[in-house]
Formats: sequence, C-alpha cells, structure tokens
Amino acid sequence: AQKITQTQPGMFVQEKEAVTLDCTYDTSDPSYGLFWYKQPSSGEMIFLIYQGSYDQQNATEGRYSLNFQKARKSANLVISASQLGDSAMYFCALSGGSYIPTFGRGTSLIVHP
Amino acid sequence: GAGVSQSPSNKVTEKGKDVELRCDPISGHTALYWYRQSLGQGLEFLIYFQGNSAPDKSGLPSDRFSAERTGGSVSTLTIQRTQQEDSAVYLCASSLPLAGGNNEQFFGPGTRLTVL
Repeated sequence: AQKITQTQPGMFVQEKEAVTLDCTYDTSDPSYGLFWYKQPSSGEMIFLIYQGSYDQQNATEGRYSLNFQKARKSANLVISASQLGDSAMYFCALSGGSYIPTFGRGTSLIVHP
Repeated sequence: GAGVSQSPSNKVTEKGKDVELRCDPISGHTALYWYRQSLGQGLEFLIYFQGNSAPDKSGLPSDRFSAERTGGSVSTLTIQRTQQEDSAVYLCASSLPLAGGNNEQFFGPGTRLTVL
C-alpha cells in the first residue's frame, strides 16, 4: 500500500522568502514517482514538479525544487523567492506500479506582502 | 483539445435526482481518473480507466456511483439518486500510463456539484 503524509495543514511565508513544504511517503514499489501540484483558489490542479525514485539529482523547475531524501522517504517542495501568486493549496502525490496516484491532504500556503 | 475539459462546470440539483458529469481527456491519453474533492479537503480517488476498461473501481463510494468510458476517450460519471453528501468538486485527470510511476496527471477544471 502507498501512503503520503503532509503534516503541515497551513504555512505562512513573507514575500520574497523561501519556504519548504513537507512530504513523507511510504511504498513497497521499487520504482515510483513523486509529484507536487498547486491548487489556487480557482480550483484547477497545476502540475509543478516530478521526481523519479531512480533520479540521481533533485528535480528543479524554475523557483521550485524538490528536496528528495530517499533513505528518509521524504520529498519536500522548496519554493524560492515566494510571490503573492504562490498562495494556494499544495498537494504531494506518489505514483508507483499501480498507476493510481496517492495524494496527501495538502498544505495551505499563504504568502504575506 | 489542448487540455482536459469537463462539463458542466457547475451543477445544482435536487436531492434524489440523477446527474451526469462529463470528462474529455487529452487526445492520446489512455489513462483517465475521477476524483472527488470536498470543500477544503484533499483528493478522494473514485475510479481509474485504462482505455475503456476500469481495472480499479475501489474508490466508488456506493452503488449510486457509476462511470463509463467509450472509444478510449470521453468518460461519464453518473450519480443516481443524489444525496447532499455528494456535494463536492469532481475532478477528472488523464495521463499516459508510463511505467515506473512517471504518469504525470493533467487535470480538468472540475465540476462543482451542489445537491440541495
């Protein structure tokens, strides 16, 4: 069985500061992928970043980076230079051999000016 | 089309009525997923299609819920005899079923269902 845990229901950050959103996971699949999605108040789910379990380097996409620590089973999202438009819900998801991703409960991020 | 589309965007219905929600995935995406998201909550998996078949229906909350997919493309989620607890946003996603877990999902805008 797959499990995703996001322990931070809400986070606050000052504009232009960096913020880390936590995600831990558990799976028995030898090959798996970790995803982060952003859901603004408008409701659409926006793909941010992907990390494969065999990728040697941490994934980066612009201001988003994934701090992947395989031994600790964590895949934290780091947002650098936060912007007001980053205020949203953020979901971590795990996908393995079953093709059905498991989503975390989400973290609400509020960026203060 | 360029992305996943869903219709209607909003649906208000009376308790006991049947509703149909439609999802049009990205062309070429053989995998299709339905999720339900209640207010302020995470995503609840409902059903997954690979082509026209549904290998996993484990998430359907009751026998009032059913889904089908025809031609490996459009999918319809039907809720019979709606109840107030069915009120939620229903999200559809499609993906290429790549091995090893790299199946990035592309989401539609959702259908907001309100059962009065």
